[in-house]
Amino acid sequence: DAKTTQPTSMDCAEGRAANLPCNHSTISGNEYVYWYRQIHSQGPQYIIHGLKNNETNEMASLIITEDRKSSTLILPHATLRDTAVYYCIVIQHAGGTSYGKLTFGQGTILTVHP
Amino acid sequence: DAGVTQSPTHLIKTRGQQVTLRCSPKSGHDTVSWYQQALGQGPQFIFQYYEEEERQRGNFPDRFSGHQFPNYSSELNVNALLLGDSALYLCASSSTGGFGNTIYFGEGSWLTVV
Repeated sequence: DAKTTQPTSMDCAEGRAANLPCNHSTISGNEYVYWYRQIHSQGPQYIIHGLKNNETNEMASLIITEDRKSSTLILPHATLRDTAVYYCIVIQHAGGTSYGKLTFGQGTILTVHP
Repeated sequence: DAGVTQSPTHLIKTRGQQVTLRCSPKSGHDTVSWYQQALGQGPQFIFQYYEEEERQRGNFPDRFSGHQFPNYSSELNVNALLLGDSALYLCASSSTGGFGNTIYFGEGSWLTVV
């Protein structure tokens, strides 16, 4: 699976948009970009995923560049409860031999402050 | 619809003992993966079960073993516990049908080895 690179930490003011970048320059055509977050002492929470089109759900938006080498997770109106470690992971599709095996990096520690 | 459920939530074992952790996947999911997360680290893939067989394995010794039952639930067994096995053990479930299916995590089982 392709490796990802994320900033170690980011700060965001409450109510503002949080934009978390991720580089995945070696991503292959059958790999999706997934975002998870982990609040202290809890299991990772699924946020959003995409293949090549931008995606939006009730939690966030995912912007994937046209060459698919990088993406940005956008939390449109960050709250204090969004403070967490955010992981960007690339995963093979369900037919791939390594499907389901997530390789977590260090992630980005997002701190939302009042 | 219950998500991924794990039990027990917390347990304390003595060095050399054996432990069994349990996981029920999300409804409709047939694949279960297990992860170990040491304090301050990202989750590390242990192994994955599908159709009651181990399909993928991470870099963990044979002391770590598992089982999947016909109802897709799963157990993680760790023998001859070491102090270094103290960690949060996470179960994740997914479905092999379709592409880009979401992988969901449980809240984990905290294991302390003393």
